[in-house]
Amino acid sequence: GIQVEQSPPDLILQEGANSTLRCNFSDSVNNLQWFHQNPWGQLINLFYIPSGTKQNGRLSATTVATERYSLLYISSSQTTDSGVYFCAVNKRWSSNTGKLIFGQGTTLQVKP
Amino acid sequence: DAGVIQSPRHEVTEMGQEVTLRCKPISGHNSLFWYRQTMMRGLELLIYFNNNVPIDDSGMPEDRFSAKMPNASFSTLKIQPSEPRDSAVYFCASRGASGRDYNEQFFGPGTRLTVL
Repeated sequence: GIQVEQSPPDLILQEGANSTLRCNFSDSVNNLQWFHQNPWGQLINLFYIPSGTKQNGRLSATTVATERYSLLYISSSQTTDSGVYFCAVNKRWSSNTGKLIFGQGTTLQVKP
Repeated sequence: DAGVIQSPRHEVTEMGQEVTLRCKPISGHNSLFWYRQTMMRGLELLIYFNNNVPIDDSGMPEDRFSAKMPNASFSTLKIQPSEPRDSAVYFCASRGASGRDYNEQFFGPGTRLTVL
């Protein structure tokens, strides 16, 4: 099956710093989503981005589908950005067009 | 919109008991997914319904697990009998039939299950 690898596994930042999280996937995809799991456990949709670049406030994401990776940028980090960031993909041409395969996540801690 | 609704939010039960988790998808969505999150295995799909019909249940761990979707606004995930290794957070997600909502899955708050 398709493999999804995220890096780094853990990241500690000082408030105000910028960061880049990476997601590599092993096959062509027709869906790629980034989620933030907050300290209360809720999965929050950040981006649907199977290709191209999107921005939402301090967050932006870029997916280069031909090279099978996606990047999530967090600028001017805040303590509320802490949590786990997941990348999830759905394989192109899959008979199961619903199944999201999740990476293991990047745990981010932003210190005040 | 209220988003995906799950109940209960927390469940503590003893080994051997029956557990029923409930999910109400976002109104108008026609696909519903049950995922499980554990430290060892991360987030993994258990079962996926489209228009109330199970499409892929290959992720259901064993016969002790069953899921139903009697109508477009309600689904249940049942574990009978429960075992300590079933302890996990169970998420329900839904997806729309068209437009932006077709591309994204939206997750409920999850049910944290502890089996003693």
